[in-house]
Amino acid sequence: DARVTQTPRHKVTEMGQEVTMRCQPILGHNTVFWYRQTMMQGLELLAYFRNRAPLDDSGMPKDRFSAEMPDATLATLKIQPSEPRDSAVYFCASARGGGETQYFGPGTRLLVL
Amino acid sequence: EDQVTQSPEALRLQEGESSSLNCSYTVSGLRGLFWYRQDPGKGPEFLFTLYSAGEEKEKERLKATLTKKESFLHITAPKPEDSATYLCAVQAKGGNTPLVFGKGTRLSVIA
Repeated sequence: DARVTQTPRHKVTEMGQEVTMRCQPILGHNTVFWYRQTMMQGLELLAYFRNRAPLDDSGMPKDRFSAEMPDATLATLKIQPSEPRDSAVYFCASARGGGETQYFGPGTRLLVL
Repeated sequence: EDQVTQSPEALRLQEGESSSLNCSYTVSGLRGLFWYRQDPGKGPEFLFTLYSAGEEKEKERLKATLTKKESFLHITAPKPEDSATYLCAVQAKGGNTPLVFGKGTRLSVIA
């Protein structure tokens, strides 16, 4: 049963610390998305990649967030420095192509104190 | 700007009490409309994709329909295990367009 995996599942950190979240997309999927979910805003797209190349990161605060795909099996989202307003659930999703169904991972629940 | 509005925000039903969830959208050329189910503490789980007005899809007690301005998720004789948040999303036509999500409807089905 192919699934998107994310680590860590939970992260508690202090303001100013660096946070790195990792995602393993479904094998064979070439498009990877990062979303943030909060009660107030719902699901918001942060960035996405196709064939490891960034296509859109306009949803990300550029001064503190960065997203990369070091290889086809790993996507990372980094926050440096973290702030309390970054507290949210971060989801990774992958798809076989641009118009295909997105499959979501279980999320990383981040709390910045 | 592409937008999705879901209503109601929350819905409480008795077991067996059928109802519908609404998803109104504006998009610059619809490529697809997606329905997802999200359980607490989990990621959204794909349910359906609809591509054109008039299209319908069914899965167990759920049926999704699509018009040019909105989609409905009909729930027939719901059971407590149908309790979840249901998310609607649209994708515009174009080479690399992402999904735009609504804020969801929280459904509670009481036995």
